[in-house]
Amino acid sequence: EAQVTQNPRYLITVTGKKLTVTCSQNMNHEYMSWYRQDPGLGLRQIYYSMNVEVTDKGDVPEGYKVSRKEKRNFPLILESPSPNQTSLYFCASIPGPADTGELFFGEGSRLTVL
Amino acid sequence: GQNIDQPTEMTATEGAIVQINCTYQTSGFNGLFWYQQHAGEAPTFLSYNVLDGLEEKGRFSSFLSRSKGYSYLLLKELQMKDSASYLCAVRPIGQNFVFGPGTRLSVLP
Repeated sequence: EAQVTQNPRYLITVTGKKLTVTCSQNMNHEYMSWYRQDPGLGLRQIYYSMNVEVTDKGDVPEGYKVSRKEKRNFPLILESPSPNQTSLYFCASIPGPADTGELFFGEGSRLTVL
Repeated sequence: GQNIDQPTEMTATEGAIVQINCTYQTSGFNGLFWYQQHAGEAPTFLSYNVLDGLEEKGRFSSFLSRSKGYSYLLLKELQMKDSASYLCAVRPIGQNFVFGPGTRLSVLP
C-alpha cells in the first residue's frame, strides 16, 4: 500500500530534549516536505527536499533541522525543543517537484513540549 | 508572495448545499487544490483545478476562475460526516504548495 509513515504519532517532551520525528514514504517520490499546523494558521511549511541531499527552508524553519540521506526518509529534527514548537506536524510527498499531482500526507505527529 | 483567504467557519444543515469560497493572490499558477481534513487527521485530497471552470466529482464540485483569483468548493446533499475543515491550496509555478487557513464546516441535523 502506498503510504507516508510518520513516527511517533504522539509525543510529550520537555524543553531542550532533542527529538526526531521520522518520515518514510514507499512511493519512490523525489519531493518531500514537512508542515506544522496550528489553530487559525493553517499548514505552514517548515522544510522541503527536492531529492536526496537537497533540502531547503520553507516558511517557518527556525528551530528545526532536516536531512535527506536516502530517497524514502526525511526526518525532522528538533535540537532543542521549546514550547512554541508544540504543534501537529505532517510529512508529505509528491513524485517530483514539477509533478502537478496532489500531496500525499502522513497521518501526523502531535508534539507537546512542556 | 502568496496569500489565500477562506472563511473561518461555516454551518449548514444535513441534506443542504454549501459553497466554500477561496480567494488567492499568487505569482504564477500551477493549480488549485482542495483538501478535506477531519479533526486531528491528515488532509485528504478532494479536487484539483488548473483550468477555468467546474470540476465535478460526485457530491463535490470545485470551480476556478484564474483571472479573478477565485475558487469555490460546492458540497451537495450534505451529510454529518462532511463536518470537517476544508483547505484551499495553490501551487505557484516552480514552488511549493501554499495552504489557506482552512474553513471549518459544521453540518447540523
